[in-house]
Amino acid sequence: QSALTQPASVSGSPGQSITISCTGTSSDVGAYNYVSWYQQHPGEAPKLMIFDVSNRPSGVSDRFSGSKSGNTASLTISGLQAEDEADYYCNSYTISSTPLFGGGTKLTVL
Amino acid sequence: EVQLVESGGGLVQPGGSLRLSCAASGFTFTRYWMHWVRQAPGKGLVWVSRIISDASSTSYADSVKGRFTISRDNAKNTLYLQMNSLRAEDTAVYYCVRNHYYMDVWGKGTTVTVSS
Repeated sequence: QSALTQPASVSGSPGQSITISCTGTSSDVGAYNYVSWYQQHPGEAPKLMIFDVSNRPSGVSDRFSGSKSGNTASLTISGLQAEDEADYYCNSYTISSTPLFGGGTKLTVL
Repeated sequence: EVQLVESGGGLVQPGGSLRLSCAASGFTFTRYWMHWVRQAPGKGLVWVSRIISDASSTSYADSVKGRFTISRDNAKNTLYLQMNSLRAEDTAVYYCVRNHYYMDVWGKGTTVTVSS
């Protein structure tokens, strides 16, 4: 199964908002409200930022929000900060009862 | 503290085998599905395999099906990944991950390098 489609890179200045898209199909993103997002800094393990499309785990800043429309999910980061610079991956549960990751997006804070 | 600690990685020749382990602590291991996720150098995250809480069902990515076997010992709170017929393209950091519809706890990973 092909990876979910994410832009390779996005950038923004401190204080701005950015949105990362994650496009799948009716067999994954469009099938369930089980989209999650992960942040990964270089040399570190990924960290869960959003689960079930729009829920934040305890301890994750409310500057991070998620949404979904049809086969496309989105992660929005508001009030960009230097420490937000990282790779971001979306993930969706699929009709095969297995998870599927996006290709990843490198966020650069200018 | 909820924790997953992987071990067993290393350098192996093409065609060789390796068994990864993941020791879980700080939570009730028997309640959770578990996954292996890998990341090749400079590449993105790729799901490899998962096993449900009672080990009665497993699933694999097409790229490892027939070569890798996931298992768990709930008495020892440990997850395993037996990797056979290893290929250069299996070179990656392998992460042990907890949960079902989303992955909320990750280990630090163990590195597998397949090279002659």
